[in-house]
Amino acid sequence: DAGITQSPRHKVTETGTPVTLRCHQTENHRYMYWYRQDPGHGLRLIHYSYGVKDTDKGEVSDGYSVSRSKTEDFLLTLESATSSQTSVYFCAISGANEKLFFGSGTQLSVL
Amino acid sequence: GIQVEQSPPDLILQEGANSTLRCNFSDSVNNLQWFHQNPWGQLINLFYIPSGTKQNGRLSATTVATERYSLLYISSSQTTDSGVYFCAGWGLWGRGGADGLTFGKGTHLIIQP
Repeated sequence: DAGITQSPRHKVTETGTPVTLRCHQTENHRYMYWYRQDPGHGLRLIHYSYGVKDTDKGEVSDGYSVSRSKTEDFLLTLESATSSQTSVYFCAISGANEKLFFGSGTQLSVL
Repeated sequence: GIQVEQSPPDLILQEGANSTLRCNFSDSVNNLQWFHQNPWGQLINLFYIPSGTKQNGRLSATTVATERYSLLYISSSQTTDSGVYFCAGWGLWGRGGADGLTFGKGTHLIIQP
């Protein structure tokens, strides 16, 4: 199994507060992704990174920012959380062979 | 972007049965993959199969890229096969990784003992 760790695993926060989710990999893979999973919408890409300090927006990037200062870490920040951002967030990585591996997910509830 | 349609949406089988799950794409795709999400929410990559056929134990997958579909076969089902099966790919004419994989809505499989 790919070495991907997401933290925290669960978080409850209030509307308007900032939230940062962390993804850490031990595979030295170039590509890292943040997805959200919602009933009726499936998995949707938020942001992705193709190298240190190289990131790009995905399908549902509004309200989210990311940073990648090291190969192994990819952070997702909700600057001011809203109830519509209640979701399960998955980090994923892929290497040169493009096979995608997921972390265990973070369940985020915004009250 | 591309559209991904999976069928059937739900499937209930008895242990030991065989099943075929289908994935249709609206356009040519690269990087076609199958995933299993278990009842605890973990997503496992089953196959990276842009074309041809691959087998892994009781599971096998076939992709016919020219016809824009892929099939996942599960033989001799076990209760641990329960969960949701997703296929995903990115459009041949898209931005590759910048679009991310586009996922279907999944097939929810329940294997009863």
